[in-house]
Order: sequence, then structure tokens, then C-alpha cells
Amino acid sequence: GENVEQHPSTLSVQEGDSAVIKCTYSDSASNYFPWYKQELGKRPQLIIDIRSNVGEKKDQRIAVTLNKTAKHFSLHITETQPEDSAVYFCAARPFMKTSYDKVIFGPGTSLSVIP
Amino acid sequence: GAVVSQHPSRVICKSGTSVKIECRSLDFQATTMFWYRQFPKKSLMLMATSNEGSKATYEQGVEKDKFLINHASLTLSTLTVTSAHPEDSSFYICSARGREPGQGYNEQFFGPGTRLTVL
Repeated sequence: GENVEQHPSTLSVQEGDSAVIKCTYSDSASNYFPWYKQELGKRPQLIIDIRSNVGEKKDQRIAVTLNKTAKHFSLHITETQPEDSAVYFCAARPFMKTSYDKVIFGPGTSLSVIP
Repeated sequence: GAVVSQHPSRVICKSGTSVKIECRSLDFQATTMFWYRQFPKKSLMLMATSNEGSKATYEQGVEKDKFLINHASLTLSTLTVTSAHPEDSSFYICSARGREPGQGYNEQFFGPGTRLTVL
């Protein structure tokens, strides 16, 4: 089955700097890669996603890149703000013809933005 | 956006009792529902996947007799933790996969989670 790895596990940046989180996946059949932000005690919130037919996607200060050949995908946050502090999870969803297309999460990155 | 609710948000019970957690999709029909558990400072671990009217598919290592899942309708799934023990204490999160009104594709929406504490 799919296995998603994520680095780093913790990341501290100064406010205004950029943050990069990297993930790898194992199942070449995966075709959908969402990123979630989870604040303490809250539900995961989808912040951006990318599908396998696209190499890059940007939404304001957040961008995601995908390298299908290398099975790598990354999250880039620019001009970080204290409210960006949270745990970020990358995920991968293997394509299946049934509706059992479950999302597999990476272990998470705890991001701290220092004012 | 699409809303998924979970009830209760927090439950404390004695060891040996059973606890039922409800997950509802409020404004869309969920073709599939997923149940995850999350330990403190850890990732979300998928426990099981279910389609309405079908038996749930459990992930390896998850006891189906311990964690009973019922997906009675397109808007409701329940997880029952039977004979709960302290090691079952965790944050349980459901998610529902469906189509948000106006959208042409399915997405996965998460409930707010249920914190279970077994004494």
C-alpha cells in the first residue's frame, strides 16, 4: 500500500521567511496530493492540493510542487506569519476505480513561526 | 463549504463500557466515509473505510469487533468502540467524501473530531 514520508518533523522560521516541507510517496498510482493544516485540537483543514497532471500550483502565499518521476511533492509557504504556526500534513491518494480511494497521511511537520 | 459534524465532541467513560460516535454530512451526500484516530502529536491513522449499505473495510491491525462501524445512510456513519480500555483513549476523526454543492468533483471533508478518554 501507499506510504508517505515527510520532512522535517519540526520547523522553526522567523516571521517573513519562507518555509518548505517535503514529502515522498511510494505508490506510483497515487494521483491526488492534498496538504492539510491542523491546529491543536482542531480538525485538519485542506489548504491546497495538486493532481498528478499538474507540476505546480500556487494560491497566494502557498505553493505546491509535484515531481511524479521522483515521487516527491513539496509545500512552500512564503512571507510566513505567526498564524501559520500549526502542524502540516501532506497526503497521497492512490487512484482506484472503486470509491475506496482513501487518503494516506504523512507523519506531519510542526511549523513554528517566530514573531 | 461542505460541513461534517461529529457527536459527541468529547467523552469520558469507564473502562469496559462502549462508546458510540456519530459522523454526519450536513449538506451533501457522502459516498464514502472514513474513520481515523490520532494520538497526541502524531499523524492521522486510517482505521476503516465504509460505503453506505456495505460492510466497512478495516486497515491492517484494526480489530473489526472492537471498532464497529455502521454506515446506515448517505449522511450518517457511526463508530462504536466496544469494551473500551485506557489504550483506546485517542482523538477520533471522521471524514466524508462527497460532492460539495456546485462542485463537479468529490472531495474529502473532515469532522471536528471526538476526544475519547477511557478511565
